Amino acid sequence: DAGVTQSPTHLIKTRGQQVTLRCSPKSGHDTVSWYQQALGQGPQFIFQYYEEEERQRGNFPDRFSGHQFPNYSSELNVNALLLGDSALYLCASSFFGASYEQYFGPGTRLTVT
Amino acid sequence: AQTVTQSQPEMSVQEAETVTLSCTYDTSESDYYLFWYKQPPSRQMILVIRQEAYKQQNATENRFSVNFQKAAKSFSLKISDSQLGDAAMYFCAYRSARMSGGSNYKLTFGKGTLLTVNP
Repeated sequence: DAGVTQSPTHLIKTRGQQVTLRCSPKSGHDTVSWYQQALGQGPQFIFQYYEEEERQRGNFPDRFSGHQFPNYSSELNVNALLLGDSALYLCASSFFGASYEQYFGPGTRLTVT
Repeated sequence: AQTVTQSQPEMSVQEAETVTLSCTYDTSESDYYLFWYKQPPSRQMILVIRQEAYKQQNATENRFSVNFQKAAKSFSLKISDSQLGDAAMYFCAYRSARMSGGSNYKLTFGKGTLLTVNP
């Protein structure tokens, strides 16, 4: 049973560019959440998708957008990259009816130069 | 808005000893969930233990237990018989039980406590 997978593992981009990160949820899960974890900090909630809609959003600018596909996988898009966007991006999946546990992926390390 | 504070950036413990990690939180809500997550160098966040605010009994998972003080808004994690594999960053997290936009999956994390286990 595959857990949450994310791709790519590492990514280096230049300021002003756009990036797309991908997440496949754990088998049987239908809800995906994205978090940004800056170095030395706790993860911060970006947004959550269920039934291909954004259901909840944290305090992030519109440069951060997402999508959920019919197979429940998800993408996180960041436009006009800033140096401050350098972070570990974590994806978490869960089953909408089960409130407690969210399973996290290993993350994508994004470096903006 | 809810906040979570972990006042110990780093802690160390001898193998087989007991260590307690502290967490306080601020909320005006009465119904919520609290979690402790472990993040080893592999970066994968792993759930250690959870506590529902409506339950008075403290949660326990094998060597891990919590001391939940709702009135004091305190939620500490006790690790007994520490093992080398327990070395990791530990995050305390809060989740509201109230639905927002038809969802309530947002986790609010503290800044973490780096636990070192000495052999």
